[in-house]
Amino acid sequence: RKEVEQDPGPFNVPEGATVAFNCTYSNSASQSFFWYRQDCRKEPKLLMSVYSSGNEDGRFTAQLNRASQYISLLIRDSKLSDSATYLCVVNEDSNYQLIWGAGTKLIIKP
Amino acid sequence: DAGVIQSPRHEVTEMGQEVTLRCKPISGHDYLFWYRQTMMRGLELLIYFNNNVPIDDSGMPEDRFSAKMPNASFSTLKIQPSEPRDSAVYFCASSYPPLGYTEAFFGQGTRLTVV
Repeated sequence: RKEVEQDPGPFNVPEGATVAFNCTYSNSASQSFFWYRQDCRKEPKLLMSVYSSGNEDGRFTAQLNRASQYISLLIRDSKLSDSATYLCVVNEDSNYQLIWGAGTKLIIKP
Repeated sequence: DAGVIQSPRHEVTEMGQEVTLRCKPISGHDYLFWYRQTMMRGLELLIYFNNNVPIDDSGMPEDRFSAKMPNASFSTLKIQPSEPRDSAVYFCASSYPPLGYTEAFFGQGTRLTVV
């Protein structure tokens, strides 16, 4: 079983719609969680950290469910520019490695 | 700051040749990471340094791979001899403090093709 699992997609979503995807992690001791965004043939960039209480940044909302060991990302009023691969990232505080999911590909269509 | 700088951006080499990838981290960042990304395996951590010292190289696939960080502003990843299965995008990233607590800044990557 992979340590961090994501649905690879692609998710094909019309512009303006709301889309959500989850990421599950296997280590219950994981402490820090992040969503990164990676555009085609580009480097990953931090989208947002995920806090225990959940957090929102504009159209993006991230949630953490420790009991079920998953994090989620919700995108409202999706834009064409949201098309990218979204990488779920988990850190186990016992070391300084980040465990990366394989990514969920999102395609926003006009 | 110009961000993390990697060179070359693209490298095409023949099997058996030595390949050297270069990275300049963001000034002041104590941590430097080398990653490899492929369609099949996603993003994999190869090795990371703290204050120029290699901390964890368990991700280095085999002895053909080696990495050095002679000073705070420069690191290399060397593959000798290269094989077609080494074809991937290699990313360097830096951060301060450790990754679990702050953002990792990635370079634009080196796209390596071994033929």
